Amino acid sequence: ELKVEQNPLFLSMQEGKNYTIYCNYSTTSDRLYWYRQDPGKSLESLFVLLSNGAVKQEGRLMASLDTKARLSTLHITAAVHDLSATYFCAVDARKLEYGNKLVFGAGTILRVKS
Amino acid sequence: GAVVSQHPSRVICKSGTSVKIECRSLDFQATTMFWYRQFPKQSLMLMATSNEGSKATYEQGVEKDKFLINHASLTLSTLTVTSAHPEDSSFYICSARVAGVSIQYFGAGTRLSVL
Repeated sequence: ELKVEQNPLFLSMQEGKNYTIYCNYSTTSDRLYWYRQDPGKSLESLFVLLSNGAVKQEGRLMASLDTKARLSTLHITAAVHDLSATYFCAVDARKLEYGNKLVFGAGTILRVKS
Repeated sequence: GAVVSQHPSRVICKSGTSVKIECRSLDFQATTMFWYRQFPKQSLMLMATSNEGSKATYEQGVEKDKFLINHASLTLSTLTVTSAHPEDSSFYICSARVAGVSIQYFGAGTRLSVL
């Protein structure tokens, strides 16, 4: 069974601080996605990481992928209140035995305090 | 970017009734659509994968007679929750994907409340 583990599950940050969310997965995959979800809303795509060593940045968020370590990180720089949301990573399980589907991590609830 | 429209956004129904949720890809042809369920403060759980013109593939533990999925065209998939019960209350999200492209585009979600 493909497993995707995210940590931490809950993160309370002070504004202006930096932090990293980790996403580990149990099978080889070179495609990983990060999403943001606001309360009561659907998913907003943040990053698509399609190869080993991929690094993408958008504003205060930066995501990276290490396929050898089966690890992706979402780094938050100088957090602001607007970043408060739940963040999910999802691994593209393209192997047939996993059904060619996305498997989501449990999500990280991020709260940025003033 | 590609747009997936999901309707309704919220539905309240009585126990025992059936509810249909529509998922449409507005500007692309979706060969595959996915239906997810999300309970409060939990992650998304895949319910089923539907390919246009063929029967849906359900995940283990999902009752296919209760959650009827139809993917009759390349732009429309529907999920019907039959004989809904309060435990079916949840947030249902669809997504769509083009053949050969792994990226999924998500609908806005449907919040179902069964009284």
